[in-house]
Order: sequence, then structure tokens, then C-alpha cells
Amino acid sequence: QQQVKQSPQSLIVQKGGISIINCAYENTAFDYFPWYQQFPGKGPALLIAIRPDVSEKKEGRFTISFNKSAKQFSLHIMDSQPGDSATYFCAASKYGGRGSTLGRLYFGRGTQLTVWP
Amino acid sequence: DAGVIQSPRHEVTEMGQEVTLRCKPISGHDYLFWYRQTMMRGLELLIYFNNNVPIDDSGMPEDRFSAKMPNASFSTLKIQPSEPRDSAVYFCASRGTGLNTEAFFGQGTRLTVV
Repeated sequence: QQQVKQSPQSLIVQKGGISIINCAYENTAFDYFPWYQQFPGKGPALLIAIRPDVSEKKEGRFTISFNKSAKQFSLHIMDSQPGDSATYFCAASKYGGRGSTLGRLYFGRGTQLTVWP
Repeated sequence: DAGVIQSPRHEVTEMGQEVTLRCKPISGHDYLFWYRQTMMRGLELLIYFNNNVPIDDSGMPEDRFSAKMPNASFSTLKIQPSEPRDSAVYFCASRGTGLNTEAFFGQGTRLTVV
């Protein structure tokens, strides 16, 4: 069962446009929602993360919007640049409390973003 | 810290051979994860350890795969015998304990089984 569902699979955006990637999760016990960015030949690297006690987090051109009741969160990239072209993964994890899956990151399938100049 | 270190970066081997992938996590991190990445299946968690103890190995494809973590600074993923369908990029990641702690990934090992 896919714990985190991500869409779209691929996204093409013109330079200066807004890129939006959406994710939905099942487990209401998740308490940490990071986004990872991966360039070809590299490992994924943390881009930005949010906890469920806030509805939005912004870092530069990157914003996470979080809707706890809908169990959805999204990444918005403002003023998209060709250098943003990469694969983006959303993820979810349960850090607090107890349980056998504590600390495990559940990843979405990834979105390949291409920003045209 | 140099980050998560994986070796080798590339491995080409013949079907049936044993393959061993290595990982050195970031010092002080007590979680270690092994992932496999393919175009078809994305990032799959194979197994993860907490304080050197395997917590969940349900993602290990079959008995041909095994992983060990003999100490806090070293882990191996072994495939014996290897098959062409094992060709993928294998990532190791580590993170510490606590809220908002980030998982750091290594550069990955690109495995090709011919």
C-alpha cells in the first residue's frame, strides 16, 4: 500500500512560472513532511520540511502548503528556474511516540520537473 | 563530516556473482536506511536499522538480499547471487533521533548486472 501518493509524475514549466507538486498521505500519525530534491547522478537532498502544526512554510522561492484535514500537502516553486529542473520527492514520517515504524520515511513516487528557459 | 559515504560508486558484475555494497553513515546518526531506485518503482526502502539493529526488512526483495550493520559506522548490503533485474541505483541514508531531523543520502551505487 502506497502510504504517500504524489502527482504529477512529470511537470514542464516555463521559466518564471509556478511549479506545483501535490502529495496525499494516509496515516494520521505522520508528524514530519519533508520534500527532497534529486539531481541526476546524485542522492536526494532535503529541500524543505513542515510539521503538521503549521499550514504553510516558506523558504525563498519554495513553499509547502499543508492541509491536515484533507491529509494533503504540496510544494510550490515560485519563479521557476532552469536550475530547478530535478526530481522532487515528498515524504512523510512518524517521529514522535512509539511504534515499529518510528523514524521511517515513506516516499512518494517522485515528480520530474523540467523548467524551460 | 563528509556526509554519508557509499562505495563503490559504480559496479558492473556478471549474473550469478556476489555483490557487496558498503555504507558509512554520518557519525552520531542512529538510523540507517538502504533504498533502491529504479525508473519503474521509484525509491523503495529495502531495510532500515536503528542503533545497529534491523527494524524493518520487509522491503528486501528476496533471500538473495541481506544487510548487516556490525557497528555504528558501517553497513553492507549483499546480493548473492545477483540477477539482471537487480540493476538499479542503491542509496544509503542516515539520520539522527528527534524531531525535524533530516535524513542525509549518500551518492548512491549504480549496479549493473549483465
